[in-house]
Order: sequence, then C-alpha cells, then structure tokens
Amino acid sequence: DAGVTQSPTHLIKTRGQQVTLRCSPKSGHDTVSWYQQALGQGPQFIFQYYEEEERQRGNFPDRFSGHQFPNYSSELNVNALLLGDSALYLCASSRDFYNSPLHFGNGTRLTVT
Amino acid sequence: DQQVKQNSPSLSVQEGRISILNCDYTNSMFDYFLWYKKYPAEGPTFLISISSIKDKNEDGRFTVFLNKSAKHLSLHIVPSQPGDSAVYFCAASNSGYALNFGKGTSLLVTP
Repeated sequence: DAGVTQSPTHLIKTRGQQVTLRCSPKSGHDTVSWYQQALGQGPQFIFQYYEEEERQRGNFPDRFSGHQFPNYSSELNVNALLLGDSALYLCASSRDFYNSPLHFGNGTRLTVT
Repeated sequence: DQQVKQNSPSLSVQEGRISILNCDYTNSMFDYFLWYKKYPAEGPTFLISISSIKDKNEDGRFTVFLNKSAKHLSLHIVPSQPGDSAVYFCAASNSGYALNFGKGTSLLVTP
C-alpha cells in the first residue's frame, strides 16, 4: 500500500521564478494538506484541499496556490520565489473525518538562490 | 506567534529508561493533540493522539498525558530503545483541519 508520494525530492530555483510541487495521497485518502518546514522549525500549515476546493488556509501570501485533481492528487504552486521560500515542503493526506491523523510524504526540498 | 511550544530542543536517555517529552500550548480552543516522530530525510510519522475529553491515551510503549488546566501535554516512552532516536513534534488542532506544530525535540537513546 503506497503511502504519500511527493515529487520532485529536491529542486533548485532562482529568485523570481515559479515552482510546482506534486503530491499523490495515500490510497483511500481524499484530503490533502500542504505544510512548509523551515530549518529548525516545525511544519507550518499552508492550506488544505478537499473535493478539489481549498477548505482552509494558513497565514501564507497569495503567491502560494494549489490545486486538487479528481483523483485526489494535488499540486502546490509558488510564484515570484523569494529566498525565504527555501524550505522543506510537506504534503499530508487524510480521510475526511474530524481529527483524522495526517500521513506525511517525505517532502520536497526547495532551495531558492 | 508560536501557539505550541516544545522548550527542550534535545533530550538524551539511556536505553531501557523512560523518555519524557514535554509540550505546552497557549490556545485554549485546541481540542486535539498529536505526536509525530521524524527521522532524517523522511516525513513526520504519526505516533499517538489524544482528544481534549481525555487525559491519557496509551499505545504500547507510548503514552500521552494531557493536563488541560496547565495547557501541557507529555509523551512517555517506556522502555526507550535506540530506534526511538528521532525528532519528536507535538501538534495541536482546533478545527480538525490545520495542525499547529512545535519546533520539535531531538531524542537520542544511547545503548
């Protein structure tokens, strides 16, 4: 049973560029959340998608956007990259019931130069 | 504003002994608490959770205690094993959706 898979594993971009990260949820999961983890910090909630709609959003600027597809997979897009966007981006999936535990992928390490 | 705080960045424990990891929170609306474990180059792995209607939850060697009046929870690992060496994150939720994480505690279990 495949868990949460993310691609790519590593990415290097230049300031001002745009990036797209991808995530496939664990089998049987229909909800996808994205988190940003900066060095030495805990993961910070970006947003959650359910039924192809953004259900809840954390304190991140509009440069961060996402999408969920009919097969429940998801993309995270970041426009106009800043040096401060360098972080580990984690995708997590869950079933849609209250307090369903999140299952995380191994993340995409984004470096902005 | 950090609503979930893990004030000990690191902890070292001998194999076989008890490991106690602590977590404090400031938002009284949090109603669900979780612990995650993270190895290098891997995503966090769900360990154990507790609802605010309980004060203790046990799963094998892992027990989580919740003290709502003190806004404090702890994770006990008994007995500790070298494979438990990892970073442990405390997380809390008040919506069932977004998790608020602490900065983590790095646990080292020595033989």
